[in-house]
Amino acid sequence: NAGVTQTPKFQVLKTGQSMTLQCAQDMNHNSMYWYRQDPGMGLRLIYYSASEGTTDKGEVPNGYNVSRLNKREFSLRLESAAPSQTSVYFCASGKPGRGISHNEQFFGPGTRLTVL
Amino acid sequence: GENVEQHPSTLSVQEGDSAVIKCTYSDSASNYFPWYKQELGKRPQLIIDIRSNVGEKKDQRIAVTLNKTAKHFSLHITETQPEDSAVYFCAASIESDYKLSFGAGTTVTVRA
Repeated sequence: NAGVTQTPKFQVLKTGQSMTLQCAQDMNHNSMYWYRQDPGMGLRLIYYSASEGTTDKGEVPNGYNVSRLNKREFSLRLESAAPSQTSVYFCASGKPGRGISHNEQFFGPGTRLTVL
Repeated sequence: GENVEQHPSTLSVQEGDSAVIKCTYSDSASNYFPWYKQELGKRPQLIIDIRSNVGEKKDQRIAVTLNKTAKHFSLHITETQPEDSAVYFCAASIESDYKLSFGAGTTVTVRA
């Protein structure tokens, strides 16, 4: 099992450029998440998908879009990158089903994005 | 929504001493409280969690306590070792909500 994988690991963009961050999981989880991590601010939720076919905004969704392509894959798109989006982005997936006993999340290795 | 506050933001301890990190939460409906450890350049990983029907949970050198009345929970690391140096995040969740709300993190440094 590879767990949660992300591509790319590093990316440098110029202001205004677009890009898509890819995430995939092989643990048969229903839920998937995108976070950004900035110094002193912890992990902030951008978007999440509770199940295939659904997506919802998190705490900081502005400037981002997502696509839940299938049960395994959840992508994050920056349409017009801004310097404020310089961050480390983590994808995560969670154990399946409503009524689960807990909400453990498994994280990918992260993507370090710099916007110049 | 849920608001989780975490203190201190940095913590330096002598090897062998104990470390304590405290978190408070705002939503009384939250019933799941995990702790994640993130080593430098790595991904966050779950180290221990506690549910609202339990007041304390222990796993070797780490323990977590929960006070639902006061809406706070704490992580205790005993006999700290250099490999305990990392950033620790607390989080809170309502079971049916899928989402975790994270604290801002505590950078723990264990001095040899």
